[in-house]
Amino acid sequence: QKEVEQNSGPLSVPEGAIASLNCTYSDRGSQSFFWYRQYSGKSPELIMSIYSNGDKEDGRFTAQLNKASQYVSLLIRDSQPSDSATYLCAVERIQGAQKLVFGQGTRLTINP
Amino acid sequence: DVKVTQSSRYLVKRTGEKVFLECVQDMDHENMFWYRQDPGLGLRLIYFSYDVKMKEKGDIPEGYSVSREKKERFSLILESASTNQTSMYLCASRSRGYGYTFGSGTRLTVV
Repeated sequence: QKEVEQNSGPLSVPEGAIASLNCTYSDRGSQSFFWYRQYSGKSPELIMSIYSNGDKEDGRFTAQLNKASQYVSLLIRDSQPSDSATYLCAVERIQGAQKLVFGQGTRLTINP
Repeated sequence: DVKVTQSSRYLVKRTGEKVFLECVQDMDHENMFWYRQDPGLGLRLIYFSYDVKMKEKGDIPEGYSVSREKKERFSLILESASTNQTSMYLCASRSRGYGYTFGSGTRLTVV
């Protein structure tokens, strides 16, 4: 079982709709969770971090965390073509040294 | 904003060469990391460091070493470059409460 799993996609969403990205993780003791956006040929850019159960909203983005189900999600409201990118879920291990483990990423395409 | 600078955007090296990839951060962070990113494999951790002169192996350290002589600089060394080390290399710096900030990456091609 991979430590962090995402659907690789591609996920195609019409402009203006809600895009929903999902991620599961295996280390029950993980405490910190991140969503990164990566445009083709560029480095990952942090868009959301979440540390406690529930929802966290920032503009058009909402991160959701359910530690009991070991599940993290990212919702993008009013999707724009500029949101087309690969979205990486990352989980910070706390066993031993703190370090970030990434999922494979979900490629999202917003269709005008 | 945290700035993480990688010295080279693109590099082409020959098999067997010793290669140095440099990374500098400007926010006095203790924690720095080196990842490589390959299609279908995602980002994988090579080495990381918690402080000057400290280093820890990540998930794929074979064929690599690191150096951290100053807090702001973390160098990745390919002792003898091989074609399977052709990849995108990403350096990151970590701040408590904010997360990991990545440099712009170095695309290394070994021929």
